[in-house]
Amino acid sequence: EDQVTQSPEALRLQEGESSSLNCSYTVSGLRGLFWYRQDPGKGPEFLFTLYSAGEEKEKERLKATLTKKESFLHITAPKPEDSATYLCAVQEGWTTDSWGKLQFGAGTQVVVTP
Amino acid sequence: DVKVTQSSRYLVKRTGEKVFLECVQDMDHENMFWYRQDPGLGLRLIYFSYDVKMKEKGDIPEGYSVSREKKERFSLILESASTNQTSMYLCASSLVGGGYTFGSGTRLTVV
Repeated sequence: EDQVTQSPEALRLQEGESSSLNCSYTVSGLRGLFWYRQDPGKGPEFLFTLYSAGEEKEKERLKATLTKKESFLHITAPKPEDSATYLCAVQEGWTTDSWGKLQFGAGTQVVVTP
Repeated sequence: DVKVTQSSRYLVKRTGEKVFLECVQDMDHENMFWYRQDPGLGLRLIYFSYDVKMKEKGDIPEGYSVSREKKERFSLILESASTNQTSMYLCASSLVGGGYTFGSGTRLTVV
């Protein structure tokens, strides 16, 4: 059973065309929700951690928000260098079974054209 | 700057070879992880370790083993490489309950 679902799978944007990516989750007792950016052929790079509903984090053109069931990554006036795959991951409350492992979504591939 | 370093960016190995992928972190993190990433399948956890000499199977451990003799180093071993193990391999580390820091990845091709 999928615990983390990202949509859409792929997104093609014109430069300057703002949009949002969705990450919905079904885990109980969320400890943290993480957003990563991954460029082709490279490892994921950390962007944000969100811990509680209502929390927001911003970095340049990216803004992440969190509700009790989902998170959004808003891309405002994107540029071609924002092209990447964006991954979200959730961490459940700590147990000796989970060891704080992250559950990753499949990612959203974003392409921004000039 | 904190780092997770994977020893090779690209590797080409023959079927049946024993393959070692090395990962070193300089952040004194307790947890270390090995993932593989394939198009359409996302990140899949192979093994993780929460302490020196400790290991736990992930979702796809078959055909792999790991070794963690020192806190900073976590090795992934392909006992007898097969073509279906051609993939991107990613190492990560974290503090207990923290987010992950990933390495740059090793693209392994088994021919």
